[in-house]
Amino acid sequence: ETGVTQSPTHLIKTRGQQVTLRCSSQSGHNTVSWYQQALGQGPQFIFQYYREEENGRGNFPPRFSGLQFPNYSSELNVNALELDDSALYLCASSLVGASGGSLFYNEQFFGPGTRLTVL
Amino acid sequence: GEDVEQSLFLSVREGDSSVINCTYTDSSSTYLYWYKQEPGAGLQLLTYIFSNMDMKQDQRLTVLLNKKDKHLSLRIADTQTGDSAIYFCAEWRSGGYQKVTFGIGTKLQVIP
Repeated sequence: ETGVTQSPTHLIKTRGQQVTLRCSSQSGHNTVSWYQQALGQGPQFIFQYYREEENGRGNFPPRFSGLQFPNYSSELNVNALELDDSALYLCASSLVGASGGSLFYNEQFFGPGTRLTVL
Repeated sequence: GEDVEQSLFLSVREGDSSVINCTYTDSSSTYLYWYKQEPGAGLQLLTYIFSNMDMKQDQRLTVLLNKKDKHLSLRIADTQTGDSAIYFCAEWRSGGYQKVTFGIGTKLQVIP
């Protein structure tokens, strides 16, 4: 158990709908990253939030958006769902420290994921 | 580029050693990771190695890094049936943000 939780566990949506996935970070962690893992593939980086702001993004369209809240929980929102969005969505939290203008990253801890099926 | 490549499948007998191989393309990678994923579960970090190291040993796990060939391997000694899972090689370039690039995963099957 990593202390990172995600909800819901499973979700079924239809094309064109919108979905919100939730992640609760491990206590004390201030950074959250979201990954998409299609069946038979490795996880692909979607984006990362640090102190409630997006500070890095992978090759995903703008209909993938996120939020990080003051308590460091996070949401992943996907609009206009497509069939190819069917995947396991993983969030990972970590503790990032700042010193002298540099950020120092520690290990990411992954949640169990949300399985999204788009019909 | 940011490609991480792994073979898809490995089958070993219980008690033997398993060696899972990975190649990466980004010479500026700072950290290289091995993750384990069991069915229906998230990712568990097994071990990692800094890019300035050649080898790291942690109990039954040995990681070897060949920077010249950009080759990373994970050796599991005395493989057990509980080691059956998918193993992901991953790399991270430090700086900016914490984007980890994963390989496709190697499915390890341990035969009793």
